[in-house]
Amino acid sequence: ETGVTQSPTHLIKTRGQQVTLRCSSQSGHNTVSWYQQALGQGPQFIFQYYREEENGRGNFPPRFSGLQFPNYSSELNVNALELDDSALYLCASSLVVGSVYNEQFFGPGTRLTVL
Amino acid sequence: LAKTTQPISMDSYEGQEVNITCSHNNIATNDYITWYQQFPSQGPRFIIQGYKTKVTNEVASLFIPADRKSSTLSLPRVSLSDTAVYYCLVGDIVQRGTYKYIFGTGTRLKVLA
Repeated sequence: ETGVTQSPTHLIKTRGQQVTLRCSSQSGHNTVSWYQQALGQGPQFIFQYYREEENGRGNFPPRFSGLQFPNYSSELNVNALELDDSALYLCASSLVVGSVYNEQFFGPGTRLTVL
Repeated sequence: LAKTTQPISMDSYEGQEVNITCSHNNIATNDYITWYQQFPSQGPRFIIQGYKTKVTNEVASLFIPADRKSSTLSLPRVSLSDTAVYYCLVGDIVQRGTYKYIFGTGTRLKVLA
């Protein structure tokens, strides 16, 4: 059983650019969540996808968007990058069955630096 | 939204038992309490989850009093490799079908030789 993987590991962009981060969920999981973690802070929930549809969003602007694919891989897209977007971006997958929420398995993260 | 409060940091020595207490006064009836461990530049890793009373697994115990307004993570006989940030989480139903975890700032545990 493979775990959650993310790519790339590190990324450097300049202000105003767009970025796409990728995540491959753990086998059998149907839900993926994305988190932003600034240095020294806890992860902040961005949004969650369940069966290819966004079904929950935290306090992040529309320039943060995502996709979940049939094979449960997913992408996080950020447009018009700002300096404050520099952070570790974490993907977490889980298996949701009915109203039962099982533990989330996190990937190693992508370190994004915006200059 | 349920929020959690934890000590910012703790120091301990190898071989000691460490107890980290978390306050979550506004926990909702449906919320579970979950603890994660995070090493630098890595994603959080699940430690333990519970709803009430006591839960124990191979790495930790979780104690939850009857009012569920707090919880205590107990790590038996810590080692240097247990040095990490520990997060106490409660969930929140954002909308039907969505359950998000609210992370606080966590407790930085430093284990000394």
